[in-house]
Amino acid sequence: AQSVTQLDSQVPVFEEAPVELRCNYSSSVSVYLFWYVQYPNQGLQLLLKYLSGSTLVKSINGFEAEFNKSQTSFHLRKPSVHISDTAEYFCAVIGDDKIIFGKGTRLHILP
Amino acid sequence: SAVISQKPSRDICQRGTSLTIQCQVDSQVTMMFWYRQQPGQSLTLIATANQGSEATYESGFVIDKFPISRPNLTFSTLTVSNMSPEDSSIYLCSVVGTGGIGETQYFGPGTRLLVL
Repeated sequence: AQSVTQLDSQVPVFEEAPVELRCNYSSSVSVYLFWYVQYPNQGLQLLLKYLSGSTLVKSINGFEAEFNKSQTSFHLRKPSVHISDTAEYFCAVIGDDKIIFGKGTRLHILP
Repeated sequence: SAVISQKPSRDICQRGTSLTIQCQVDSQVTMMFWYRQQPGQSLTLIATANQGSEATYESGFVIDKFPISRPNLTFSTLTVSNMSPEDSSIYLCSVVGTGGIGETQYFGPGTRLLVL
């Protein structure tokens, strides 16, 4: 069965500093991986996804994630965060025709 | 893409009552999902609702507690029955795009429920 582990429930980081949100998965079949973002008082939105091809995927707002099969990871990174990145980030994997979410990581941007 | 709306956006309810949450999608979709997001927890799938058939419930969720209707391809309701404070949560409706496996899953804005 597929599963997703987000090791950090909260990550505080200073504005303009880099950040990495960790995600590890387990899957016995082909892997489709996602990062979703939930801004305060808003619904979930897809940030980026890996289906196949290049292992490095990027979003339009500067986030990127790299699929690492040997380490079963799909960590999310951004070289310089902004206050507007304050949100909860969910890693997810597709398994058994349904999407399975991690517990989420709350990103706190410190001024 | 799919635009999803939910009603109500939030509610405060008394113990023992029931609340029906509506989900409307701007396009026809085969599969709709209902999730629960409890404070500090991940999203938990409650059930999958396909038009024209009974909803499929995940382990730990039963139809008597969370009856679901799916009368057409753009609409679904989830009822939270005989509520208790443990049902306080955000309830999310979701659909999958028509591209098949790996297709983006879209979420409604959620219904914030507080049970007193």
